[in-house]
Amino acid sequence: LAKTTQPISMDSYEGQEVNITCSHNNIATNDYITWYQQFPSQGPRFIIQGYKTKVTNEVASLFIPADRKSSTLSLPRVSLSDTAVYYCLVGDLTTDSWGKLQFGAGTQVVVTP
Amino acid sequence: KAGVTQTPRYLIKTRGQQVTLSCSPISGHRSVSWYQQTPGQGLQFLFEYFSETQRNKGNFPGRFSGRQFSNSRSEMNVSTLELGDSALYLCASSPSGTTNEQFFGPGTRLTVL
Repeated sequence: LAKTTQPISMDSYEGQEVNITCSHNNIATNDYITWYQQFPSQGPRFIIQGYKTKVTNEVASLFIPADRKSSTLSLPRVSLSDTAVYYCLVGDLTTDSWGKLQFGAGTQVVVTP
Repeated sequence: KAGVTQTPRYLIKTRGQQVTLSCSPISGHRSVSWYQQTPGQGLQFLFEYFSETQRNKGNFPGRFSGRQFSNSRSEMNVSTLELGDSALYLCASSPSGTTNEQFFGPGTRLTVL
């Protein structure tokens, strides 16, 4: 399983863009990169997933360079409600190993007015 | 479509007791995974069930067990509770386990005194 490293915390102001970079130097060929968001006392919520280049949805963008050894989650124009812990996960979704995906420590993002 | 539900939401037990937690996945989802979340260890994978069979297992002692019923509902049991078992226990479901996201329930907050 590819180990991930991400910053422990990040602070931002409302309306700014937040970029969280995750390092995964040992990512395997079949591994996908997935990001989850978790609010206090709630279960994590899927944000976005990608394999390479750039993926965008209504919530965020995910940038993955060609070597795939890192990825960056971009949250555009954050609001106070984006204050949460963000987890970067790396794992193989093409086999029955879904349950073995491991959550790291995550990045606590705090958005202030 | 109803989300993942977990019961009870809060539970207080004493050391040595046992506890059973319940999880009802999203209708049609056949994979149910369980996670333990503590401040010190973060989110850790316990096990995954698919079609009533345990498919994946994390590194937890045998005191932690689970099962899945034919309607995909799942239960998790912890015997001989220890203080360190105090945690938020999260259940997540997905259609097959090899899809791109898991849907988490709100969790059961277990306190062991």
